[in-house]
Amino acid sequence: GNSVTQMEGPVTLSEEAFLTINCTYTATGYPSLFWYVQYPGEGLQLLLKATKADDKGSNKGFEATYRKETTSFHLEKGSVQVSDSAVYFCALIRGGNDYKLSFGAGTTVTVRA
Amino acid sequence: EAGVVQSPRYKIIEKKQPVAFWCNPISGHNTLYWYLQNLGQGPELLIRYENEEAVDDSQLPKDRFSAERLKGVDSTLKIQPAELGDSAVYLCASSSGGISYNEQFFGPGTRLTVL
Repeated sequence: GNSVTQMEGPVTLSEEAFLTINCTYTATGYPSLFWYVQYPGEGLQLLLKATKADDKGSNKGFEATYRKETTSFHLEKGSVQVSDSAVYFCALIRGGNDYKLSFGAGTTVTVRA
Repeated sequence: EAGVVQSPRYKIIEKKQPVAFWCNPISGHNTLYWYLQNLGQGPELLIRYENEEAVDDSQLPKDRFSAERLKGVDSTLKIQPAELGDSAVYLCASSSGGISYNEQFFGPGTRLTVL
């Protein structure tokens, strides 16, 4: 079946530090990959996505590249801010007309001023 | 544009009591999802509706959980009777549907505590 494994947290960083959250997946076919973010007290929001190999998703300074050879979709940001403190979830949807999101366990990121 | 609305935001009940959660999706979204999120885990799909039809309820524990989406808009998820292990966050999401993936928009969730 489909599964997503992401780096365990919590992760604590200082402002302007570099952030990487590792995500690897197992899936049949050609899944689409996503990063969702959950800010305190809010619902999950789509941060970025990539639908095929070598695609790079980007948003709000975050980037992730779909690497089929390593089945990975690591999230990166070059300079984090306090406002980036949140829980980050890696997720996938199997290819075709599948609608079911399979999520990783989430990584809590805290950025200190 | 209003997002997905859920109520209540928090609910504390004793075991064996019934509980219900309500969700109002984004206007015009035909597809509605209920997810269960246990502490420290990612959400897991419970049920998906296309309009008023439950098209995938394979992960819904039907002995105690039920859901409905009358008129294809609002939805209610019910647990009767609640057990200690049901303590979790219940998320509702909606999307514009169709056969290709459309972004799912999530509500803030209802945090249930069963004592």
